[in-house]
Amino acid sequence: DTEVTQTPKHLVMGMTNKKSLKCEQHMGHRAMYWYKQKAKKPPELMFVYSYEKLSINESVPSRFSPECPNSSLLNLHLHALQPEDSALYLCASSQNQGVQPQHFGDGTRLSIL
Amino acid sequence: QKEVEQNSGPLSVPEGAIASLNCTYSDRGSQSFFWYRQYSGKSPELIMSIYSNGDKEDGRFTAQLNKASQYVSLLIRDSQPSDSATYLCAVIPGGGSYIPTFGRGTSLIVHP
Repeated sequence: DTEVTQTPKHLVMGMTNKKSLKCEQHMGHRAMYWYKQKAKKPPELMFVYSYEKLSINESVPSRFSPECPNSSLLNLHLHALQPEDSALYLCASSQNQGVQPQHFGDGTRLSIL
Repeated sequence: QKEVEQNSGPLSVPEGAIASLNCTYSDRGSQSFFWYRQYSGKSPELIMSIYSNGDKEDGRFTAQLNKASQYVSLLIRDSQPSDSATYLCAVIPGGGSYIPTFGRGTSLIVHP
């Protein structure tokens, strides 16, 4: 088990559905990240929040909408996804957006029908 | 483009041997270096961090950093079948964004 908790672990949704992925950490970390990972590829950065403010958006399509309600929580709202969006979605946190390592949650396996 | 290169493998070693995993990076101003282990279908797990030249040991794992030659390596002593996984090298480059660049990972297979 990791100290970064992601829910749900698995999600199957249709292209017209709206769903949300959730991430929570209680390590006092002030930077949180969303990554997308396809099989046999490294994690691909999507968004970075630093002190609850969006710091980096890696030109992610608007059908992905991040939200950081407080310093412990990070959400990723999904709407009108495409089959190619099927992937493992990873949340990570670090002490701050600095030289410290990131700690990953177990991920959400997302399948788009 | 700041790059991190790893041999994709697979690297196959017998049980009990030393596995040596290598990573090179392009940005000479890089500051932090990490090794993650990722089992198939699971998330990356941090196993080593190294920030200065030399060796850092933690149990069966040793990370080695050589900034002049721009490489970082991970040695796994007394390899076990449970070490079979993909090992990702991550480097935080200079420039101030502090976002790690990941290598493509090296697949390690430890056979009994």
